[in-house]
Amino acid sequence: QQQVKQSPQSLIVQKGGISIINCAYENTAFDYFPWYQQFPGKGPALLIAIRPDVSEKKEGRFTISFNKSAKQFSLHIMDSQPGDSATYFCAASRETSGSRLTFGEGTQLTVNP
Amino acid sequence: DTGVSQDPRHKITKRGQNVTFRCDPISEHNRLYWYRQTLGQGPEFLTYFQNEAQLEKSRLLSDRFSAERPKGSFSTLEIQRTEQGDSAMYLCASSSGQGVWQYFGPGTRLTVT
Repeated sequence: QQQVKQSPQSLIVQKGGISIINCAYENTAFDYFPWYQQFPGKGPALLIAIRPDVSEKKEGRFTISFNKSAKQFSLHIMDSQPGDSATYFCAASRETSGSRLTFGEGTQLTVNP
Repeated sequence: DTGVSQDPRHKITKRGQNVTFRCDPISEHNRLYWYRQTLGQGPEFLTYFQNEAQLEKSRLLSDRFSAERPKGSFSTLEIQRTEQGDSAMYLCASSSGQGVWQYFGPGTRLTVT
């Protein structure tokens, strides 16, 4: 059972544009929502994360928007750069369940120069 | 470098052989997680430890899989009688406290021929 659904599967953006990746979850008990960035042959790297009591979190060019009632959250990458080209994964966890992460399927982002 | 390390980075084995992977977490991180990632998919949770205690195992972890963390520091993941379906990237992550912020290692890529 897929508990975190991610879209789109792939995304192509021009340099300087905004990249938007969306995720939806089913389990309302989730209480932590991180985003990970993964380059080929590397492990996922924690990018930014949010808890459900906050509707938005911004760190540099990366912003998470969170809609608790819709059970959706999204990652916005402002001023996208070719170096941002990677696979992005949303995830969710529940602290009382050992904080094991449930990942989305991933979005392959390509930023053209 | 004080990040999570994994060894080996790549392993090619024949079907039916046993393999063992090692993970060294970030120093003093009490939690250690194992995930498996197949091509084009997000990581899937396998098991986790708090100190030396294994607290949860996914149903993905068949009887052929065993994990240990004998002294609450490094961990090993053993797969017995490997099958072609075991081919994947095996990722280790560590965290402090309740496991909310998980930091991943580079992974071990297993190929079963």
